[in-house]
Amino acid sequence: GQQVQQSPASLVLQEGENAELQCNFSSTATQLQWFYQRPGGSLVSLLYNPSGTKHTGRLTSTTVTKERRSSLHISSSQITDSGTYFCAMEQGQGGSAKLIFGEGTKLTVSS
Amino acid sequence: GGIITQTPKFLIGQEGQKLTLKCQQNFNHDTMYWYRQDSGKGLRLIYYSITENDLQKGDLSEGYDASREKKSSFSLTVTSAQKNEMAVFLCASSTTGVDTQYFGPGTRLLVL
Repeated sequence: GQQVQQSPASLVLQEGENAELQCNFSSTATQLQWFYQRPGGSLVSLLYNPSGTKHTGRLTSTTVTKERRSSLHISSSQITDSGTYFCAMEQGQGGSAKLIFGEGTKLTVSS
Repeated sequence: GGIITQTPKFLIGQEGQKLTLKCQQNFNHDTMYWYRQDSGKGLRLIYYSITENDLQKGDLSEGYDASREKKSSFSLTVTSAQKNEMAVFLCASSTTGVDTQYFGPGTRLLVL
């Protein structure tokens, strides 16, 4: 089965509303990252958060490792936040470690 | 800062053709990756390399070859392109393991 599951698959918001994105993973992750991809663009790392809560700007990520879940909260969403958000967990160790990606949450923010 | 360059930006080939995609990075990163992203989907790892001349298979390696000619470059070959195979191939690099990965702009593949 899928090792990283994200929900919802898509989310439509009005500008100024808050967004809550969820990520569940099938095994204990030692590393967890959130990425953003604008339409037709490449991926950009947003937050690296294996456990606990981390903030950057309007983004807050909370990872509860023992419950195998992470969330990404976007406060006061803006039209430029539109795009797809991926979470990815580590599989393996050391130099052979690799990331397993979820299928993403597509966020659309309108005025 | 550094940059990851992928060439070509668009690649159109014929069914059965061997096609090569190239990736260069100037971060001086040890590890490089090739991912495939199908439309509306997440990324799936094809190959990765933790150092020059190293090669490790990902979950989607069948039908592909890769080559890490030097630390800064990592190429991917589609050994026999399949018709209607449309995907974006993304190259990434990181210092070691799964430290923050930096992604290139992608190569969009279309097979006729």
